[in-house]
Amino acid sequence: KQEVTQIPAALSVPEGENLVLNCSFTDSAIYNLQWFRQDPGKGLTSLLLIQSSQREQTSGRLNASLDKSSGRSTLYIAASQPGDSATYLCAVSDEGRRALTFGSGTRLQVQP
Amino acid sequence: EPEVTQTPSHQVTQMGQEVILRCVPISNHLYFYWYRQILGQKVEFLVSFYNNEISEKSEIFDDQFSVERPDGSNFTLKIRSTKLEDSAMYFCASSGGRDLAKNIQYFGAGTRLSVL
Repeated sequence: KQEVTQIPAALSVPEGENLVLNCSFTDSAIYNLQWFRQDPGKGLTSLLLIQSSQREQTSGRLNASLDKSSGRSTLYIAASQPGDSATYLCAVSDEGRRALTFGSGTRLQVQP
Repeated sequence: EPEVTQTPSHQVTQMGQEVILRCVPISNHLYFYWYRQILGQKVEFLVSFYNNEISEKSEIFDDQFSVERPDGSNFTLKIRSTKLEDSAMYFCASSGGRDLAKNIQYFGAGTRLSVL
């Protein structure tokens, strides 16, 4: 059964810092990996999706990498801003499936 | 930008009552999903729906749950006899449009279900 782990559980940084969020998964036979942002009491906003055949994806200040064989992904946020404060969730879908298995998230606070 | 809409935003019900949670997926999407998030816990997959039938379901999705696409736009989750442990945020999602991002799942804002 797929398990997704995110480290750290919480992170507080000053504005302007570059930061890395980590995600690991136990079964490397994945179809894709998706990073989401969740604001308190709100839904999930998709940030990036990496197909299993890809190594990385970029969107603005965000860069996500995937090392499928080692079961790891990182989300890099450049020049963090207070508006980036949210919980970041990593989720994977296994080969042949579309259901997402989520991690517990990293709660990020960017201080002005 | 197209979005997934869910109603109501908050539903309060008595234990044992039936509830129906409603979702309008993005119009050209082909796959529909329900997830739930119990307070303080991970988001959990419940069920996916494609071509008018269930394509995957989790162990959580037992006989108390059902899904339906009653018309061309709505997608519903019914809980037949609610239990206290059904209290959670329920998210609807859709994917499978015709563009390159067809695998991205887009989530609604959620319905908070409170079972008393």
